[in-house]
Amino acid sequence: QTVVTQEPSFSVSPGGTVTLTCGLSSGSVSTSYYPSWYQQTPGQAPRTLIYSTNTRSSGVPDRFSGSILGNKAALTITGAQADDESDYYCVLYMGSGSWVFGGGTKLTVL
Amino acid sequence: QLQLQESGPGLVKPSETLSLTCTVSGGSISSSSYYWGWIRQPPGKGLEWIGSIYYSGSTYYNPSLKSRVTISVDTSKNQFSLKLSSVTAADTAVYYCARHKAAKGFCWGQGTLVTVSS
Repeated sequence: QTVVTQEPSFSVSPGGTVTLTCGLSSGSVSTSYYPSWYQQTPGQAPRTLIYSTNTRSSGVPDRFSGSILGNKAALTITGAQADDESDYYCVLYMGSGSWVFGGGTKLTVL
Repeated sequence: QLQLQESGPGLVKPSETLSLTCTVSGGSISSSSYYWGWIRQPPGKGLEWIGSIYYSGSTYYNPSLKSRVTISVDTSKNQFSLKLSSVTAADTAVYYCARHKAAKGFCWGQGTLVTVSS
């Protein structure tokens, strides 16, 4: 079965820029996988940040952006803030009604 | 504004069937081109797609759970449901319902914790 890969953890300084990635165990991620990104804090439901590769969900600050970088989907946070410290998940549409979530990245802001 | 709310027992015994319902408000479950799905998250772990039902009634399941999962819809009540049979402690998780489609991402319910224990 296809595995969607994410960095287990990442650290960024306040005000800094960080790029989280979302890859495939076999093959390249393209826009055809409609990558989307979700932010989750403990005890809360996921919050949609980005869908369809690079479309920001309503109310999401423009310091969050999505793209394809090389063979992976990417979520870039520019000007990181303390409340960006969260878990981040990507999900890919595999076609035929099937979705696969990545394992998530725990982002620390310090 | 679309809202989804999960409901069902918070405690299920091992080997029994877990049953949850998602009630949709602020939109019709018959909306074209949307999937209505279930996702779960074991304590301290990541998200796992369980399966979805398309507005047309077609169902799609995670291959790793397919033999135990049934998702159905009741358009008269604007609800859809999850049944997971033969549960074990490994099925203990927060279960989320969601409306989703490839080009629009997921719109989530609040989630409900289901514990499998005797």
